[in-house]
Amino acid sequence: KQEVTQIPAALSVPEGENLVLNCSFTDSAIYNLQWFRQDPGKGLTSLLLIQSSQREQTSGRLNASLDKSSGRSTLYIAASQPGDSATYLCAVSLGSNYQLIWGAGTKLIIKP
Amino acid sequence: EAGVAQSPRYKIIEKRQSVAFWCNPISGHATLYWYQQILGQGPKLLIQFQNNGVVDDSQLPKDRFSAERLKGVDSTLKIQPAKLEDSAVYLCASSQNLADTQYFGPGTRLTVL
Repeated sequence: KQEVTQIPAALSVPEGENLVLNCSFTDSAIYNLQWFRQDPGKGLTSLLLIQSSQREQTSGRLNASLDKSSGRSTLYIAASQPGDSATYLCAVSLGSNYQLIWGAGTKLIIKP
Repeated sequence: EAGVAQSPRYKIIEKRQSVAFWCNPISGHATLYWYQQILGQGPKLLIQFQNNGVVDDSQLPKDRFSAERLKGVDSTLKIQPAKLEDSAVYLCASSQNLADTQYFGPGTRLTVL
């Protein structure tokens, strides 16, 4: 059974720092991996999607990497800003229905 | 482009009552999902539709939960009767097709007293 783990559960850093969020999964037979952002009282917003054949994806200050063999992904946020404060979730897609299996998320607080 | 719409945004009911949630996906999206998200956890898929057919409902508690997607567009999720442990945020998402990026609505926060 696929399990997705995110460590740490919460992270607080000063504005301007670069930071890394971690995601690990137990079964490497995934179709893709996605990183989402969730703001309080709002739905989820897709940030980056990495296909299983890819190693990384970049969007602005965000860079996500994927190492299928070790079952790990990282989300790198450069030059963090208070507006980056949110909960970040990773999810892996697998099976014939491409079902998403989710981690519990990392709550990120950027201090001004 | 309009996003995924959900209503109501908040609902408070007493246990053993019934409740229904509504979702309108992005126009043209064939796949629709209902998730349950308990505080501090990631979303759990309850049911997945492809057009108006059910693709996966393996985690839907069918003794109390039901869902339908008439005409392959809007969808409703119903709980009858509700239990205390059903308190959660219910998220609806849609995608163009099975393997595509999912777009989420704002969710319905359900509190069962």
